[in-house]
Amino acid sequence: GENVEQHPSTLSVQEGDSAVIKCTYSDSASNYFPWYKQELGKRPQLIIDIRSNVGEKKDQRIAVTLNKTAKHFSLHITETQPEDSAVYFCAAIHGSSNTGKLIFGQGTTLQVKP
Amino acid sequence: GAGVSQTPSNKVTEKGKYVELRCDPISGHTALYWYRQSLGQGPEFLIYFQGTGAADDSGLPNDRFFAVRPEGSVSTLKIQRTERGDSAVYLCASSLNRKETQYFGPGTRLLVL
Repeated sequence: GENVEQHPSTLSVQEGDSAVIKCTYSDSASNYFPWYKQELGKRPQLIIDIRSNVGEKKDQRIAVTLNKTAKHFSLHITETQPEDSAVYFCAAIHGSSNTGKLIFGQGTTLQVKP
Repeated sequence: GAGVSQTPSNKVTEKGKYVELRCDPISGHTALYWYRQSLGQGPEFLIYFQGTGAADDSGLPNDRFFAVRPEGSVSTLKIQRTERGDSAVYLCASSLNRKETQYFGPGTRLLVL
């Protein structure tokens, strides 16, 4: 079935450095890829998303790139700040069905050290 | 505007009991999803409603789990004969339609003793 793999599981960076999180997906019919940020005990919040008709999208310090051929997509955070510390989840919409069912990666715990 | 809300925020129950978890989606959102999140894991899909109908219930783990959305807005997830393995955070999400951004509620943390 559909699967999304996410790496690394934990990431520690110094404030001001960049952070990159990578995901691969198995369903070639997937066409929508959101990224969610989840702080401890809080709801997942969408930070950026990308559809399969574009290769890159940027929103201030956050960017996402998509390689459909290789079936992988990445989150890039530049100039990291301590408030970026959280768990980040990638997801892919289940492309082979008529639902908006999201398949999530296992999550990356990002720690930004001041 | 108001986001997705869920009640209760926490629920403690005993093994074998019945529980109901409620989700109030964003007004006007026709698509509603239930996910389950275990500690240290990503959310796992349970069921998707388009309007009043369950369009995809392929993620429900067994027949102890059931969900309804009778008027196309509020949804209730029902778990019968709860087991300790049901302990998790149950998240609800809604979107304008199935192709749009899903907005999550704060979740209900269920603990089965």
